[in-house]
Amino acid sequence: SQTIHQWPATLVQPVGSPLSLECTVEGTSNPNLYWYRQAAGRGLQLLFYSVGIGQISSEVPQNLSASRPQDRQFILSSKKLLLSDSGFYLCAWSRDRRLGGYTFGSGTRLTVV
Amino acid sequence: SQQGEEDPQALSIQEGENATMNCSYKTSINNLQWYRQNSGRGLVHLILIRSNEREKHSGRLRVTLDTSKKSSSLLITASRAADTASYFCATKAGGTSYGKLTFGQGTILTVHP
Repeated sequence: SQTIHQWPATLVQPVGSPLSLECTVEGTSNPNLYWYRQAAGRGLQLLFYSVGIGQISSEVPQNLSASRPQDRQFILSSKKLLLSDSGFYLCAWSRDRRLGGYTFGSGTRLTVV
Repeated sequence: SQQGEEDPQALSIQEGENATMNCSYKTSINNLQWYRQNSGRGLVHLILIRSNEREKHSGRLRVTLDTSKKSSSLLITASRAADTASYFCATKAGGTSYGKLTFGQGTILTVHP
C-alpha cells in the first residue's frame, strides 16, 4: 500500500537559519508531489509541485525552494528563514494525475523565532 | 487566489444532528473534493465528485455539486463527536493542471456530545 512520510513533525528555528523538510512516498512510482503551507489552521496555499525528478514548479514567489532528487523524495528548503515562514507545511502526493485526489503527510509545524 | 470558499466558517451542533457545509468556486472545474483535517494533522480525502455528477454518497456523507451555480455542499448525517474537525473543499481545474488542487478556507465543525 502507498504511504507518505513527512518529517520532522515540529521544528523551531531561529531567523536566518537554513531549513530542510523532507517528504518521501512509498508504494508508488512517478507520483505528482506537492508542498502546501497552511497558516493558522485555515486554507492551504500551494507552494511547489513536481511531476518528475528534477522538475519543480513554483506557485508563489517566496523565500523557499524545493527539489526532487529522487522519484519519491520531495524536499522543501530555505537558505535563510524569515519570521513569515512560520506555518504548517504539508506534503501530498497524487495517485491520479487526471483527478488529483491527494494523500497528505502528517505535516511539519515550523516556528521561526 | 482562493478558488473554493466555504460557508459557514464555523459550525457548532449537537451529536445526532446533521451538519451542512457549503463551498463556492469561481472557475470551471474538472472535479471538486472534500477533505477533513483533525487539529494539527494532515488532511484526509473524503470524497470526490466530478463535474458531470450532481450527487454522491459515501457512508454518512452526501455531496452535491451544482456547476451552474459553481457551488457544492457536504452533508454529514447523524453527526458524532468524532466528526469534530475542519472540512475543506478543493477544486481541480480542467485541462492540463498537473493535478493541482485549490483549497478553500475551510469550515470548523464542532459536534458536542
